[in-house]
Amino acid sequence: KAGVTQTPRYLIKTRGQQVTLSCSPISGHRSVSWYQQTPGQGLQFLFEYFSETQRNKGNFPGRFSGRQFSNSRSEMNVSTLELGDSALYLCASSLRNVASGGGYNEQFFGPGTRLTVL
Amino acid sequence: KNQVEQSPQSLIILEGKNCTLQCNYTVSPFSNLRWYKQDTGRGPVSLTIMTFSENTKSNGRYTATLDADTKQSSLHITASQLSDSASYICVVSARSGGYNKLIFGAGTRLAVHP
Repeated sequence: KAGVTQTPRYLIKTRGQQVTLSCSPISGHRSVSWYQQTPGQGLQFLFEYFSETQRNKGNFPGRFSGRQFSNSRSEMNVSTLELGDSALYLCASSLRNVASGGGYNEQFFGPGTRLTVL
Repeated sequence: KNQVEQSPQSLIILEGKNCTLQCNYTVSPFSNLRWYKQDTGRGPVSLTIMTFSENTKSNGRYTATLDADTKQSSLHITASQLSDSASYICVVSARSGGYNKLIFGAGTRLAVHP
């Protein structure tokens, strides 16, 4: 069974631009969560989508948004990029909704998209 | 405030030696605790998950312990191998208001040298 795939793997943008990242979950998984990982902050939760609906959200500004399609693929968009948005963006797929599942639903992470904002 | 603190921040050991990584948490209400291994340039991979009633869980050379009273967990690696070089992340799940929230530690970076 194929793992979680993320595209693109690397991205360079300049301040003020916007960016869209894509995540394809493991076949059959309906939950996709997005995380930002930086050396100083570690992994921080952005949001989770399950059955095309956002189920949980972290403490990020409205510039960060996402959506999920009927085939469970998910996209994350960051508008008006700032230098501090440079990070590794990870998505994780799970069979069931992590937000309501008590955390027992194992998440499988993709390799991430390395975003650099100049 | 829900927090997960890991120590040490980084660790260097020789191949074949054992090591123990620590995770202290102030998360309430506690649901479960998971250890992840993250190789450089890759996403984290789950090693173990422990609930309130579990004290020890093993996965090959990895053994996790949990003391729910003191809110401490440890990950013990036996007979380390070069492939153990990675970051190890402790994640605690808290349940509040019908929603599950994951609190991530900053990780311990382990380097195994020959």
